[in-house]
Amino acid sequence: DTAVSQTPKYLVTQMGNDKSIKCEQNLGHDTMYWYKQDSKKFLKIMFSYNNKELIINETVPNRFSPKSPDKAHLNLHINSLELGDSAVYFCASSQGGAYTEAFFGQGTRLTVV
Amino acid sequence: SQQGEEDPQALSIQEGENATMNCSYKTSINNLQWYRQNSGRGLVHLILIRSNEREKHSGRLRVTLDTSKKSSSLLITASRAADTASYFCATAAQGGSEKLVFGKGTKLTVNP
Repeated sequence: DTAVSQTPKYLVTQMGNDKSIKCEQNLGHDTMYWYKQDSKKFLKIMFSYNNKELIINETVPNRFSPKSPDKAHLNLHINSLELGDSAVYFCASSQGGAYTEAFFGQGTRLTVV
Repeated sequence: SQQGEEDPQALSIQEGENATMNCSYKTSINNLQWYRQNSGRGLVHLILIRSNEREKHSGRLRVTLDTSKKSSSLLITASRAADTASYFCATAAQGGSEKLVFGKGTKLTVNP
């Protein structure tokens, strides 16, 4: 069983479109995250949820909206996609926030053309 | 920013050699973690060292932490081609932060 799974793995879309990435974890963790990894491999946190409550919202354009219907799921919706949104987006989860290990999904490579 | 900075950015060695990667950070931390990322894959947790620990081992991995110098090192002994990956350090700030802040990573290539 995959611990943290995200779909889709690849996403190619045109500028201006709206898209969603889904994430599910079956580890029973309380905390889930979205990270963005740019072309230089720099990994930056975007959002963090704890028990469905938003606890971290970094400086991210409000075109990005996370949604957590329950503590096992954290989805990311992106409106009006721009070329600069092209990156790999990783979902992760942990039990105990940043004080314990995080488990990452395999990533979603988003390409905006 | 407490962002970690890994050094070197890239490292190429022969199988069987040891690989050492360093990480420096800026603020007081609760813990420091090391992750591995194989090409095209997600990050995999390797080891977590708490601020009151100085050294930790896991198999062929050895991590040290020097909080006075705000630095950590990851040593991989007897490297294998399968160790080829990018290695990241990540820090959790002291005082209740819920986020891990990642460095830019070291790309390790182990040549057979």
